[in-house]
Amino acid sequence: NAGVTQTPKFQVLKTGQSMTLQCAQDMNHEYMSWYRQDPGMGLRLIHYSVGAGITDQGEVPNGYNVSRSTTEDFPLRLLSAAPSQTSVYFCASSPRDLNQPQHFGDGTRLSIL
Amino acid sequence: EDQVTQSPEALRLQEGESSSLNCSYTVSGLRGLFWYRQDPGKGPEFLFTLYSAGEEKEKERLKATLTKKESFLHITAPKPEDSATYLCAVQWEWGGSEKLVFGKGTKLTVNP
Repeated sequence: NAGVTQTPKFQVLKTGQSMTLQCAQDMNHEYMSWYRQDPGMGLRLIHYSVGAGITDQGEVPNGYNVSRSTTEDFPLRLLSAAPSQTSVYFCASSPRDLNQPQHFGDGTRLSIL
Repeated sequence: EDQVTQSPEALRLQEGESSSLNCSYTVSGLRGLFWYRQDPGKGPEFLFTLYSAGEEKEKERLKATLTKKESFLHITAPKPEDSATYLCAVQWEWGGSEKLVFGKGTKLTVNP
């Protein structure tokens, strides 16, 4: 059972570089989301999607883009990396909406120098 | 003001020493309260969902309860393998859209 798979697990970037964090789920879930987790703070929602072709902003969307071309995949793009984006990023999915438990991946640990 | 507050931030217990973790919230129109467990280097793992005041859920040594403004996660006779960070998340409706906010978590350490 793969569940939610995130790649890469670790990444170091230089300020100004761009990159894409990958997220794939094999549970046919409609709802997918991206969070960042920083020390001393709760998980904060970056972007979410309620189905293929539909995305919306969460609490902290600035500096990030998303798209959802398939049910399975929900990549997160950093357009021009900044040190403030150093964090652990988690992707999650649930069958339909926020009212159902979310399944999380194991995260991508991103450092921006 | 934080909408979801978890206390204590950290808790150390001896094996077998029962205790409770608290999650309080200030939002109105609760749609659901979720408890997750997070091990170091891993993503959160779902434990319970509570939907209305008075509801209780149990799983092994864990029991979650919900009142109108807070939830408790009771841990009975904990074991070292219960050591983890426990997160709660509150879902509510605001302005026609669904909101979900996580607390900062309680780090539980159970010593043998």
